[in-house]
Amino acid sequence: QKEVEQNSGPLSVPEGAIASLNCTYSDRGSQSFFWYRQYSGKSPELIMSIYSNGDKEDGRFTAQLNKASQYVSLLIRDSQPSDSATYLCAVNYRFGNEKLTFGTGTRLTIIP
Amino acid sequence: GAVVSQHPSWVICKSGTSVKIECRSLDFQATTMFWYRQFPKQSLMLMATSNEGSKATYEQGVEKDKFLINHASLTLSTLTVTSAHPEDSSFYICSAPPGQGRYEQYFGPGTRLTVT
Repeated sequence: QKEVEQNSGPLSVPEGAIASLNCTYSDRGSQSFFWYRQYSGKSPELIMSIYSNGDKEDGRFTAQLNKASQYVSLLIRDSQPSDSATYLCAVNYRFGNEKLTFGTGTRLTIIP
Repeated sequence: GAVVSQHPSWVICKSGTSVKIECRSLDFQATTMFWYRQFPKQSLMLMATSNEGSKATYEQGVEKDKFLINHASLTLSTLTVTSAHPEDSSFYICSAPPGQGRYEQYFGPGTRLTVT
């Protein structure tokens, strides 16, 4: 059974600092990896996608993938109170219209 | 990105009645859509995969006769909760990948169902 694990938190980070969110996955054949942000009472919103080893940066967000260690992370620089949300890691076994396997999410709180 | 809409955004119904929720891809065609349910403070739970022109694939433990899914076109999938009961009250969310070499999935805004 494919599993995706995240620390449930809560993770508290001071405003302006770097928030680091981590995710591990069990299926070594996994091909695509995603980070979603979910505010309370809202649906998930795609933040980042990453498909190859290394770093991918988009504004204040950086996704890091290490397939050998089966590890994907999300860094949020210059954290803002509006970044307070639950962050979901999702993994797809292979490219295409496959269902995502989600972690249980990490609740992040940015402290002003 | 790609835009997915849902209708209605919230609905209240009486126990024993049926409720239909629509999921539309607004700027792309979706051969596959996914339906999720989320209870308060819990994770997303995949209910079923909706395939255009064919039967839906349900996850283990999801009653296919209770949660009817119809994917009648490349832009519309519907979820009907039949004979709803209070325990079916939840947040129902659909998602779809835009295809054409893009593998991410985009979520609709969700439908909050309350069964009284």
